[in-house]
Amino acid sequence: SQQGEEDPQALSIQEGENATMNCSYKTSINNLQWYRQNSGRGLVHLILIRSNEREKHSGRLRVTLDTSKKSSSLLITASRAADTASYFCATLMDTGRRALTFGSGTRLQVQP
Amino acid sequence: GAVVSQHPSRVICKSGTSVKIECRSLDFQATTMFWYRQFPKQSLMLMATSNEGSKATYEQGVEKDKFLINHASLTLSTLTVTSAHPEDSSFYICSARARGRTLMNTEAFFGQGTRLTVV
Repeated sequence: SQQGEEDPQALSIQEGENATMNCSYKTSINNLQWYRQNSGRGLVHLILIRSNEREKHSGRLRVTLDTSKKSSSLLITASRAADTASYFCATLMDTGRRALTFGSGTRLQVQP
Repeated sequence: GAVVSQHPSRVICKSGTSVKIECRSLDFQATTMFWYRQFPKQSLMLMATSNEGSKATYEQGVEKDKFLINHASLTLSTLTVTSAHPEDSSFYICSARARGRTLMNTEAFFGQGTRLTVV
């Protein structure tokens, strides 16, 4: 199964509203990353939060990390129609493979 | 950030033919590249890890004879889908890790993906 499970699976909001997406993971991590994917395109890195950090900001993005609950959240404030995309959290797989494992993703639709 | 170029972005092929997808790191050397597969509205699933100059490491359930991976140089990895069938239709994405850099503190760099349709 996926390392990360995200909720909600789909989210539809109006422009200007805030969008919150949650991610849970199962194993210990060094960091957790969030990526964005526009339909049919590759992934774009948004933000990385280290395991010793609790909160991080980047522009309209705010990420929190609770290692005791093995969960993270991504908040997009003052959403825009251009924020419409799928958002994935990702963590490193075991050190042998060094690949990222992705959550199930949240499809965000921002209505203009 | 570093640039990973994936080509082609879209390909349609006939059942039984083979298709090659290229993944290039344009401004850095990539000792390791990763190939993912993504079905519609689903997450990315790791298929294999490609190491420069050595054999790829495949994930459980991925047929290595069907999905041939070659990583002949520090800037190029290729994925060949052999004897493609309609069930191989999917979105394939590569990712690269820069030489000397780990994923401990840095992001991974992704190609734009290849939409494969087998008819």
